[in-house]
Amino acid sequence: AEKVIQVWSTASRQEGEELTLDCSYETSQVLYHLFWYKHLLSGEMVFLIRQTSSSTAKERSGRYSVVFQKSLKSISLIISALQPDDSGKYFCALWEPIWQISEGYITGNTGKLIFGLGTTLQVQP
Amino acid sequence: DMKVTQMPRYLIKRMGENVLLECGQDMSHETMYWYRQDPGLGLQLIYISYDVDSNSEGDIPKGYRVSRKKREHFSLILDSAKTNQTSVYFCASRPGQGPGQLYFGEGSKLTVL
Repeated sequence: AEKVIQVWSTASRQEGEELTLDCSYETSQVLYHLFWYKHLLSGEMVFLIRQTSSSTAKERSGRYSVVFQKSLKSISLIISALQPDDSGKYFCALWEPIWQISEGYITGNTGKLIFGLGTTLQVQP
Repeated sequence: DMKVTQMPRYLIKRMGENVLLECGQDMSHETMYWYRQDPGLGLQLIYISYDVDSNSEGDIPKGYRVSRKKREHFSLILDSAKTNQTSVYFCASRPGQGPGQLYFGEGSKLTVL
């Protein structure tokens, strides 16, 4: 069964520091996709970064980057130069495909995200 | 502007009352989702909709039903709400097929007394 594990429920850092958020996963998929989302204090859920299992590129998006260790089934989110606005809850998620089948034929391919429990980050000014 | 809008943002209901949570998106995305988020449980999928009148149960559908009569609109209905349905509900959408980013709304916080 697909599963996402975020061990640390909370983290606290000072402004300007760097933080690594760990995530591990279980999957039977050969090709799979991992995502990081941030749940803002306003309620908004924001997409941060995506990692495809077949990619060896070090994914980056602004101050966000990932360390992907496929053999360990681990993906870490690194946030550099922390700011107080980085406070929030960070979720790691794994894409699970859903095949739509009608009369024995595949009619569609969508999917869902399976989320970890999240890590709440507090950045102190 | 690409946006998923949820209404209402906050709702308080008594046990046994009916609840309607509404979600709209302006991106013509085919697929839409309802998740709920609870402390210690992460986000759990309630229902998924592939398009108009094409809905499928997620992982925790019991006690919920959905309606999608227009592509841009997806409703979550609780008939006779229960206290254990107190939660934050997220609607999301995404375009096309295959893996990809979900676009989330800002959540609807439901309290059932």
